[in-house]
Amino acid sequence: NAGVTQTPKFRVLKTGQSMTLLCAQDMNHEYMYWYRQDPGMGLRLIHYSVGEGTTAKGEVPDGYNVSRLKKQNFLLGLESAAPSQTSVYFCASSSLALNSTDTQYFGPGTRLTVL
Amino acid sequence: GQSLEQPSEVTAVEGAIVQINCTYQTSGFYGLSWYQQHDGGAPTFLSYNALDGLEETGRFSSFLSRSDSYGYLLLQELQMKDSASYFCAVDSGYSTLTFGKGTMLLVSP
Repeated sequence: NAGVTQTPKFRVLKTGQSMTLLCAQDMNHEYMYWYRQDPGMGLRLIHYSVGEGTTAKGEVPDGYNVSRLKKQNFLLGLESAAPSQTSVYFCASSSLALNSTDTQYFGPGTRLTVL
Repeated sequence: GQSLEQPSEVTAVEGAIVQINCTYQTSGFYGLSWYQQHDGGAPTFLSYNALDGLEETGRFSSFLSRSDSYGYLLLQELQMKDSASYFCAVDSGYSTLTFGKGTMLLVSP
C-alpha cells in the first residue's frame, strides 16, 4: 500500500516549456487535491476533484490545468511554465467530504524550478 | 475571504510544553485540523476539532473555541523530533481545507 505517490520528484524547466505532474493514490479515495507551497505562504489549493471526471478551481488556479480521467490518478499540467510557478507541489487525497473526522493524505511532493 | 493567523516561529526546550495558537476568519466552518511537516516533506495529519473543547492524542492535544474563532495545538514533553512546521487548517464545508501559513517549532536540548 503505497498511499499517495507523485512523479517526478524534481524537475527543472525553462520558461515557456510545458509539463505534467502525476499523482496516484491506491486508497480508493474519492477526493484529490493539488497544492503549491512557497516559503512563508503555507499550502495553497490549486485545483481539486471530488470524483472521477470532475475538477474544480481552488485558490490559485491560473496557469494550471488538471484532469481526473481515472479515480486513482490526478494530473496537474503547466502549459507554459513561468518563473512564478517555481514551487513545491503536493498532491493529497481523502475518502470523504471534510465535514467529518476524515483527513487528507499527502504525497512526498514535486520540487519544480522554472528558469 | 478566508484567513488564518498563527505565529511564524516558536522555540522551546526538550521536555517543555508549547502551545501554538490559530485564529481564523472564514465564510463557513465545520472544523479545525492540525498538520505537521518535517523539513519540507509530506504534511501529516495530527488532529481535528469539530466541536468546542479539548481533544487529546498522546502527547498532543488540540483545543477549539468556535465562539472565539480560535484554536490551539498543545505539545507536551517536547522531544527533538517535534521540531517541524505545524499548520492549522479550516474545513469550510466545500470539500477543501484552507491552511494557515504555518508555525516553525524549534526544540533545543
